[in-house]
Amino acid sequence: QKEVEQNSGPLSVPEGAIASLNCTYSDRVSQSFFWYRQYSGKSPELIMSIYSNGDKEDGRFTAQLNKASQYVSLLIRDSQPSDSATYLCAGGPPRNYGGSQGNLIFGKGTKLSVKP
Amino acid sequence: DGGITQSPKYLFRKEGQNVTLSCEQNLNHDAMYWYRQDPGQGLRLIYYSQIVNDFQKGDIAEGYSVSREKKESFPLTVTSAQKNPTAFYLCASSRARSNTGELFFGEGSRLTVL
Repeated sequence: QKEVEQNSGPLSVPEGAIASLNCTYSDRVSQSFFWYRQYSGKSPELIMSIYSNGDKEDGRFTAQLNKASQYVSLLIRDSQPSDSATYLCAGGPPRNYGGSQGNLIFGKGTKLSVKP
Repeated sequence: DGGITQSPKYLFRKEGQNVTLSCEQNLNHDAMYWYRQDPGQGLRLIYYSQIVNDFQKGDIAEGYSVSREKKESFPLTVTSAQKNPTAFYLCASSRARSNTGELFFGEGSRLTVL
């Protein structure tokens, strides 16, 4: 299993719907997770972080972490065309890793398209 | 405003030439990183540095070199030994002693080999 896996999509949802983006991770990834949004040709920007089992809400975004299933998701409520982007899931560095906490492991990203 | 500045934004290179990408940050972050992004490939780590005058290889360091002479600066040189250098290069920084793991990215440099 790759360390952080995402469905590359594209995922297409109508405007106003809930977009659900999913990510699975291997045992090698420590249990802090991040969702980055990347518009085409631009750099990633952090939109959510989650460290504990359960849900974390911030505006229209909800991150969910299920450590038992090694699964993390991002829900976007009331999707807007401006949410159309690639969403990157990233996990913290491998266990027993001697490097920086910022050395994240990224999935390949899921491309989301919100249709007006 | 604090942030990370990468330059140039676009760069064209002939085969066999070395090029250096600049990365400067005024966030007072200890750690800095260089990632490479290819279409459909996500981000792959080239080099990272946690402290001045020290840096470590990432997953795809071959054909690249870096230096960290100042806390604010972490330039990346793409050498002629890099077989497929055309890519989008991203510099990032983080507070190394923080447990959040949050990365702050520059706007990227797009390198094209002609």
